Amino acid sequence: GAGVSQSPRYKVAKRGQDVALRCDPISGHVSLFWYQQALGQGPEFLTYFQNEAQLDKSGLPSDRFFAERPEGSVSTLKIQRTQQEDSAVYLCASSHRTSGGNWNEQFFGPGTRLTVL
Amino acid sequence: AQSVTQPDIHITVSEGASLELRCNYSYGATPYLFWYVQSPGQGLQLLLKYFSGDTLVQGIKGFEAEFKRSQSSFNLRKPSVHWSDAAEYFCARSTASKLTFGTGTRLQVTL
Repeated sequence: GAGVSQSPRYKVAKRGQDVALRCDPISGHVSLFWYQQALGQGPEFLTYFQNEAQLDKSGLPSDRFFAERPEGSVSTLKIQRTQQEDSAVYLCASSHRTSGGNWNEQFFGPGTRLTVL
Repeated sequence: AQSVTQPDIHITVSEGASLELRCNYSYGATPYLFWYVQSPGQGLQLLLKYFSGDTLVQGIKGFEAEFKRSQSSFNLRKPSVHWSDAAEYFCARSTASKLTFGTGTRLQVTL
């Protein structure tokens, strides 16, 4: 079946603009994760959903970052008033199991590369 | 905080040579450890994972990893590298479902 898809693949924003990044998880996957990957770094956790519930948002760097998954499927990561330090690749991952499953494989999308000028 | 360290930023090997990528994890309860590979413009692909049991884990594409509790290590190995293995490799551990990644090792393969 189809894997995790993300759109757009590339986004260029002027500093101060708002952006919205979309993630379509694998159909039926309960858990959804967002990660931020700065250039030359490993991905860093941003937030986690189980169905429509946002169970962990401890990694969101500021209140300019907001994520939602209203129907427990597609998720949107929104960044308000973008800053240059927000430039990174934003990765979405989904997993079919519920919370507490440290052993669950996360399937990653190709990412959205955000460049803030 | 529980963390993962990959000491080698960049490694170059010749095609056909053996490969070992290092990964160390900080102290904690039974670690859930993973190795992912990332090719340019691609998402992360899981190579293998360890939770318990046999400390030698087999993965896809001919990779294996050995968990050594005494050394807090989970090194990735491959006996014979192919040019297509050139990519970025990430070690990760799972805590409360979320993954914590190392900074990655970029593998270059020379022909």
